[in-house]
Amino acid sequence: GAGVSQSPSNKVTEKGKDVELRCDPISGHTALYWYRQSLGQGLEFLIYFQGNSAPDKSGLPSDRFSAERTGGSVSTLTIQRTQQEDSAVYLCASSASSSRVFKNIQYFGAGTRLSVL
Amino acid sequence: AQKVTQAQTEISVVEKEDVTLDCVYETRDTTYYLFWYKQPPSGELVFLIRRNSFDEQNEISGRYSWNFQKSTSSFNFTITASQVVDSAVYFCALNAPGDGANNLFFGTGTRLTVIP
Repeated sequence: GAGVSQSPSNKVTEKGKDVELRCDPISGHTALYWYRQSLGQGLEFLIYFQGNSAPDKSGLPSDRFSAERTGGSVSTLTIQRTQQEDSAVYLCASSASSSRVFKNIQYFGAGTRLSVL
Repeated sequence: AQKVTQAQTEISVVEKEDVTLDCVYETRDTTYYLFWYKQPPSGELVFLIRRNSFDEQNEISGRYSWNFQKSTSSFNFTITASQVVDSAVYFCALNAPGDGANNLFFGTGTRLTVIP
């Protein structure tokens, strides 16, 4: 597609359930990022994938959060045993960056709004 | 450590007024990149500008202009003759790859409301 696509756009779940959020980056973009935006807050970095390199997981808030990227394209962010504090908008971005020196622009999807009841 | 501060939480202006959104950043890296993004009510972040630390030239794009001053670690954004469609949350962001960070560090955003 023309831009970064995320699904679902909205997700309501019960506390304790697992959820999966999907991101389809811009075709050809090697770098993919997940961020979390809580109400009234800026964006908080979660995880970064670059090509076939090991992901940078330094932003994941707990071991309940994990992500994978299959075939260097689509990514899935999984939250296990969801808690109410996980409620937020989860944003995915991709960029054409292929070098260690970040200099390319991140293009964002519209996000998935997660509500944990 | 990297940090971005947007001290203005909310700003309201009347249409056609000029408005400046402030951004102050912190980094120990000498090579870094600064960004502005716009987040309209639809939620998708829209890229506006990228500036690297070696280019202090101010930039103008239509009604938008950016003032980058390394001496004060600021990267302010001015909208001239504001319009209702400019109403959005604006985020300033920083990347300093020398710190080993691959991601963007965002400020908390400034919500701009343009009143018709």
